[in-house]
Amino acid sequence: GQQVMQIPQYQHVQEGEDFTTYCNSSTTLSNIQWYKQRPGGHPVFLIQLVKSGEVKKQKRLTFQFGEAKKNSSLHITATQTTDVGTYFCADPWGGSQGNLIFGKGTKLSVKP
Amino acid sequence: NAGVTQTPKFQVLKTGQSMTLQCAQDMNHEYMSWYRQDPGMGLRLIHYSVGAGITDQGEVPNGYNVSRSTTEDFPLRLLSAAPSQTSVYFCASSRASGGGYNEQFFGPGTRLTVL
Repeated sequence: GQQVMQIPQYQHVQEGEDFTTYCNSSTTLSNIQWYKQRPGGHPVFLIQLVKSGEVKKQKRLTFQFGEAKKNSSLHITATQTTDVGTYFCADPWGGSQGNLIFGKGTKLSVKP
Repeated sequence: NAGVTQTPKFQVLKTGQSMTLQCAQDMNHEYMSWYRQDPGMGLRLIHYSVGAGITDQGEVPNGYNVSRSTTEDFPLRLLSAAPSQTSVYFCASSRASGGGYNEQFFGPGTRLTVL
């Protein structure tokens, strides 16, 4: 089945450093979603990217969708302790309509 | 709106016991899904439903049953619990997405331990 591969699995940063997680697919994606899960919490939708080469920003978070629509990235500038959690990319069309195929996530820890 | 609610929050079972995890949503979403989350494995789809009366299997359906008699409710049944079913279970819902936009709303999860 279709898979989305996410790297790295873990990332430890000092507060104020930047952070990037990458999501790769072997097939072309129609669109891609990003979710954040705080420790002990549930996944929360961040954004959806649809267009080839699309770049969207949410404050310190920058999301990119590759030109070939086979990869995506999430970059956080100047991390804060509130950024701690696991970031997942998800393919909204990987399974049947209405279901997501998740990457395994990147767990971010931030040292104050 | 309460969004997606799940009960119970925590549950401990003995091997062989059965139980039902409850999930309800008040957003009139057509799609509902059950995922399990294990360390290092991300979220894996168990079963899903595209509307009342319609269900189908996901990636890891064995040992679980679902039914959907109403739009609001989507319970997950463990028939005979096994230690391998120790996990965190999330229910999610989304609206039908003609344009492919189907942000999923997740419940708070049920943390299940099978001894």
